[in-house]
Amino acid sequence: DAKTTQPPSMDCAEGRAANLPCNHSTISGNEYVYWYRQIHSQGPQYIIHGLKNNETNEMASLIITEDRKSSTLILPHATLRDTAVYYCIVRVKTGKLIFGQGTTLQVKP
Amino acid sequence: DTEVTQTPKHLVMGMTNKKSLKCEQHMGHRAMYWYKQKAKKPPELMFVYSYEKLSINESVPSRFSPECPNSSLLNLHLHALQPEDSALYLCASSQVDMGFVNTEAFFGQGTRLTVV
Repeated sequence: DAKTTQPPSMDCAEGRAANLPCNHSTISGNEYVYWYRQIHSQGPQYIIHGLKNNETNEMASLIITEDRKSSTLILPHATLRDTAVYYCIVRVKTGKLIFGQGTTLQVKP
Repeated sequence: DTEVTQTPKHLVMGMTNKKSLKCEQHMGHRAMYWYKQKAKKPPELMFVYSYEKLSINESVPSRFSPECPNSSLLNLHLHALQPEDSALYLCASSQVDMGFVNTEAFFGQGTRLTVV
């Protein structure tokens, strides 16, 4: 199963864009990149996913490099409520959704 | 409605007790999942059900017994647990279209289990 690597922690100023990187160099051609976040003691919340094109929804944008070996999640205007652990996951065909260690994003006033 | 409902929210059980965790969704999803999450760790996959059949068991000890009685319900039966099994147990569901890869999973809020 493709493994992901994320920085353990990041800070972001409130109102600024938060850019969260993820490496997934062993990703296969038909595997999607998913992003989830988990706010303390709650269940993980789906944010966005993509295959090779950039994606945008009401929560975030996902930028995937042309070789698909890395991606960046962008929260355009971070708020204090965006403080959470962000997980980058490669979704495999068997149905497994395997969480890595994630990035703890701290949004500061 | 994108809600996955788990009950109970909190559970304390003794090591000789038998208890069950319940999970319900009404999104028409045909895949359901159990995860275990220890404090300050990422969720760990335990089981995957697809069309009410167990498709993945991540070598989970037999004291955890999953059951999928119908397409909306998922249970996790617990028996003879150890204190180290204390954790947040999360349920999730998703579609099975395109072999899972292009379908987001929705998570419940979890059951906080304490084994004493």
